[in-house]
Order: sequence, then C-alpha cells, then structure tokens
Amino acid sequence: NAGVTQTPKFQVLKTGQSMTLQCAQDMNHNSMYWYRQDPGMGLRLIYYSASEGTTDKGEVPNGYNVSRLNKREFSLRLESAAPSQTSVYFCASINVPAGVNTEAFFGQGTRLTVV
Amino acid sequence: EDKVVQSPLSLVVHEGDTVTLNCSYEVTNFRSLLWYKQEKKAPTFLFMLTSSGIEKKSGRLSSILDKKELFSILNITATQTGDSAVYLCAVGSSNTGKLIFGQGTTLQVKP
Repeated sequence: NAGVTQTPKFQVLKTGQSMTLQCAQDMNHNSMYWYRQDPGMGLRLIYYSASEGTTDKGEVPNGYNVSRLNKREFSLRLESAAPSQTSVYFCASINVPAGVNTEAFFGQGTRLTVV
Repeated sequence: EDKVVQSPLSLVVHEGDTVTLNCSYEVTNFRSLLWYKQEKKAPTFLFMLTSSGIEKKSGRLSSILDKKELFSILNITATQTGDSAVYLCAVGSSNTGKLIFGQGTTLQVKP
C-alpha cells in the first residue's frame, strides 16, 4: 500500500539545470498538488490538478511547469533552476467524490538544493 | 484571493501546559478544514472539520470549526515534549479544488 510516492528524495542542481520531480499515487484520487516548504512559510501551493486533464496555478507558480500524465501521476518540472528554488517539495493527493470529504495524503518530500 | 492565516507563528510552553492554536481563513466555496502535525518529514493528518460547532477529539487533542466567523482552533491539553512540531492548517475549496495551507505554528514543549 504505497500511497503517494515521490522521487527523488534528494537532488542537487546547478543554476540553470533542469529536472522533473515525479509523483504517483495509487489511491485513485482525482486531485493532486505540488507544494514547496521553506522555513517559516508553511506549505505554499505551486500548481494543482483538480482532476485528470486539468492543471491550475497556485500561489507560487513562476519557474515551474506541471503535467498531469494520467490519473495516477503528476510531475513538476523546473526548466532552469535558480537558487531561490532551493526548498523541500511535497506532492499530495486527495479524493473528493460528491458528498464526501477526505484528508490529503502526502509523499515523503524532495529536498532540492540549487547551487 | 483564498487565504489561510495561523497564529501564533511560534509558541514555547512547558510540559503540562494547555495550548490553543488558531486558524482563520477566507476561501471561495469552503469544502473542509484540515489540521496536520509535521515533525521534520511529511505532514501527518490530525483532523478534518466540515461542520460548525462539532468538536473533533483524539486523546489530548481537540479541534472545532466556526464557519460563521471563519476560523478553527486546535487545543492540546497536558502537553508533552512529543507534541513539539509544526502544526499546519489547510482549507479546501469545493469549486476550484484548491487546497491552501497557512504558515504553520511551531510549538516547542520544554520539559
């Protein structure tokens, strides 16, 4: 019972390099989210996908792109990494069928350092 | 614009004290409010609140929602050092599907 799986767990990039963070959930959830967490800032929403085939900007989308590849997978891409993108990234998923509320489930996080 | 504000941002107490953490929100088409505890890894789920005035309780932790005044509180009684963590509040919107978090409250419980 894997839940939400994020890869990689750690990554060091040089400024200007690109990379993709992968996220997959096996709970058949319809909504998926990418957050970044910086000290004292809580979790800030980067992008989200309320359902398969849709993506929307969150609070801090600049410098990122996303792809909802299918219902299971939601990837986050940094095209040209900058030191300001050094952070811990979390993927989350939630299912909201009509009339039912559930909690969000989180991946274990990716610690990204851009030098 | 959807917004979640937590207070205080940090808190230091001694074991045995009772603490109250606050979460106020503005969101389009409120769906639910979630409380999480985070200890240097992924957040772990505490409570989900959808209706006003109904207290959720788990051991020494309890939470309640006021949808008229747009806030929730998380109470921890008889605090222990193991309660030291960041407590996060999140609010979901039913029409956008967005899930927004507050800045978190860092709680330190001293022996």
